[in-house]
Amino acid sequence: AQKVTQAQTEISVVEKEDVTLDCVYETRDTTYYLFWYKQPPSGELVFLIRRNSFDEQNEISGRYSWNFQKSTSSFNFTITASQVVDSAVYFCALSEEGNQFYFGTGTSLTVIP
Amino acid sequence: DAGVIQSPRHEVTEMGQEVTLRCKPISGHNSLFWYRQTMMRGLELLIYFNNNVPIDDSGMPEDRFSAKMPNASFSTLKIQPSEPRDSAVYFCASSLGILRETQYFGPGTRLLVL
Repeated sequence: AQKVTQAQTEISVVEKEDVTLDCVYETRDTTYYLFWYKQPPSGELVFLIRRNSFDEQNEISGRYSWNFQKSTSSFNFTITASQVVDSAVYFCALSEEGNQFYFGTGTSLTVIP
Repeated sequence: DAGVIQSPRHEVTEMGQEVTLRCKPISGHNSLFWYRQTMMRGLELLIYFNNNVPIDDSGMPEDRFSAKMPNASFSTLKIQPSEPRDSAVYFCASSLGILRETQYFGPGTRLLVL
């Protein structure tokens, strides 16, 4: 079974629209961390956020915000007023005990000008 | 501060040749990871090291792949002999500590085996 599910394979939005990328995870650990990474067309993987399982507060960073809900095992990512530069593949990841990451399959976001 | 450094950035080789990918982790990080990314399989963890010691190499596809970390600032991933199905982007990542720390990725090496 997938540890991290990103059901949206591809999303297209028009510039300035808001978009939410979904991430559902599965774990039996009480202590775990969730991550989001961005992979722009240039190919590198850029770290965006790390959230531990005991902190359910939503986080906002500029146009980016994250909604962590343990009750639904979800860690969704919202981009407000999307821009063309947001076009990328976004990966959600889970880290349980030990150091291995479980990556989702990614959501490819295209922002149309 | 310098991030994770990988070389070469691009490699084109012929089937049967030996390929060596190199990685310099972020200074002070004691965990290092090698991943492979393909369209078909996504991101796959190949192997990771902690304090220069291989901890889990269960993701290494077969004996043609080997990885070493002779010191805290250098690691190699070697493919010998290479095959066309090894064509992929290979990423190196490093992290501080072993438990659930953020992994920082290098720019990747795009490998094409003809």
